[in-house]
Amino acid sequence: DAGVTQSPTHLIKTRGQQVTLRCSPKSGHDTVSWYQQALGQGPQFIFQYYEEEERQRGNFPDRFSGHQFPNYSSELNVNALLLGDSALYLCASNPRGLAGHEQFFGPGTRLTVL
Amino acid sequence: AQSVTQLGSHVSVSEGALVLLRCNYSSSVPPYLFWYVQYPNQGLQLLLKYTSAATLVKGINGFEAEFKKSETSFHLTKPSAHMSDAAEYFCAVSGAGGTSYGKLTFGQGTILTVHP
Repeated sequence: DAGVTQSPTHLIKTRGQQVTLRCSPKSGHDTVSWYQQALGQGPQFIFQYYEEEERQRGNFPDRFSGHQFPNYSSELNVNALLLGDSALYLCASNPRGLAGHEQFFGPGTRLTVL
Repeated sequence: AQSVTQLGSHVSVSEGALVLLRCNYSSSVPPYLFWYVQYPNQGLQLLLKYTSAATLVKGINGFEAEFKKSETSFHLTKPSAHMSDAAEYFCAVSGAGGTSYGKLTFGQGTILTVHP
């Protein structure tokens, strides 16, 4: 049973560019959340998708957008990249009805903005 | 609103010694509480979770945590540290309802070092 997978593993971009990160949830999971983890910090919630709609959003600007597909996989898009967007981006999934909201995390995508 | 405070960004113990990592939370709704571990260049792995059942929660790798509502704490312990426990540990909270439903709020993390 594959866990949460993310691609790519690493990515280098320059300021002003746009980036798309991809996530496939764990089998049987229909809810996907994205987190940003800056160096030396705890993960920060970006947003959560369920039934192909954004259900919750953290304190991130509109440059951060997402999408969920019918097969529950998800994309995170970041426009007009800033140096401060350099971070590990984590995708997490869970079944909607799972008590306690335990989320299963992927290995992350390391984004470096130069 | 919810928040998590982890006291001590670095904790160092000797192999075989007690591990104690501190976590205090704030939540406007009944909380769900979690401890995750992160090894270098990896994602997060769940150690244990509290979901309003037993207040003493046992997790993987010999870790356990006790939910104390009066102290708004959820400290993580392990009786005897092993070299393989060296990693970064994150405490997280989510709410059973409202705007915190399904959204994990993490602490800043505690790096655990284990000396031989």
